Amino acid sequence: AQKVTQAQTEISVVEKEDVTLDCVYETRDTTYYLFWYKQPPSGELVFLIRRNSFDEQNEISGRYSWNFQKSTSSFNFTITASQVVDSAVYFCALQTSGSRLTFGEGTQLTVNP
Amino acid sequence: NAGVTQTPKFQVLKTGQSMTLQCAQDMNHNSMYWYRQDPGMGLRLIYYSASEGTTDKGEVPNGYNVSRLNKREFSLRLESAAPSQTSVYFCASSERPTRASYEQYFGPGTRLTVT
Repeated sequence: AQKVTQAQTEISVVEKEDVTLDCVYETRDTTYYLFWYKQPPSGELVFLIRRNSFDEQNEISGRYSWNFQKSTSSFNFTITASQVVDSAVYFCALQTSGSRLTFGEGTQLTVNP
Repeated sequence: NAGVTQTPKFQVLKTGQSMTLQCAQDMNHNSMYWYRQDPGMGLRLIYYSASEGTTDKGEVPNGYNVSRLNKREFSLRLESAAPSQTSVYFCASSERPTRASYEQYFGPGTRLTVT
C-alpha cells in the first residue's frame, strides 16, 4: 500500500517569508514518482513538479524549490519570498509504476500582505 | 488547446436523481481519471481508464459508473444520487500510467450538491 502524509493542515505566513511544505510518503516499491500540485482559490489543480525515485537531485524553479530525500521518505516544497498569489492548497502525490496516483490531504497556505 | 473540460460546473440534485458528468480532453492522452475531493481528504480516485475501451475501479467506486466513449471523452454517472456524493468532482488525463509516469492534467471541476 502507498500513503502520503502532509502533516501541516494549514500554514499562515506574511509576505516575503520563506515557507516549507512537508510531504512524507510510504511505499515498498523501488520505482515511484512524486508530484506536487497547486490548487488556488479558483479551484483548478495545477501541476508543479514530477520527480522519479532515481533522481534525488534537488530542483529549483524561480522561487520554488523541492528537496527529495529517500533516506527520510520526504519530498518537501519550499517557497522563497512568498507572495499573496502563492495562497493555495498544495497537494503532494505518489505514484508507483503502473498504479494509481495517491494524494496527500493537502496543506492550505495563506500568505498575508 | 482547451486541455481538459468538464460539464456542468455546478449541479444540485435531489436524493435519488441521476446525472452524468461529462469530461473531454484534447491532448490525445490515453488515460483518463475521475476523482472526488472532499474537505480534509485530498483527492480520491473513483474510476480510471488506462486506455480507450478499458475502465477500472479506483478507491471509491461505489455509487458510480463510467463510460469511456472514445479516446477524448470519459463520463461519470450517478444512477441514484445520495447526500454522501456531495463533493467536487475532477476529471484528469495523462499520457499513460504504466512503466513511466506522466503528470495528470485536471479539468476545472464540477461542484455537486445532493440534497
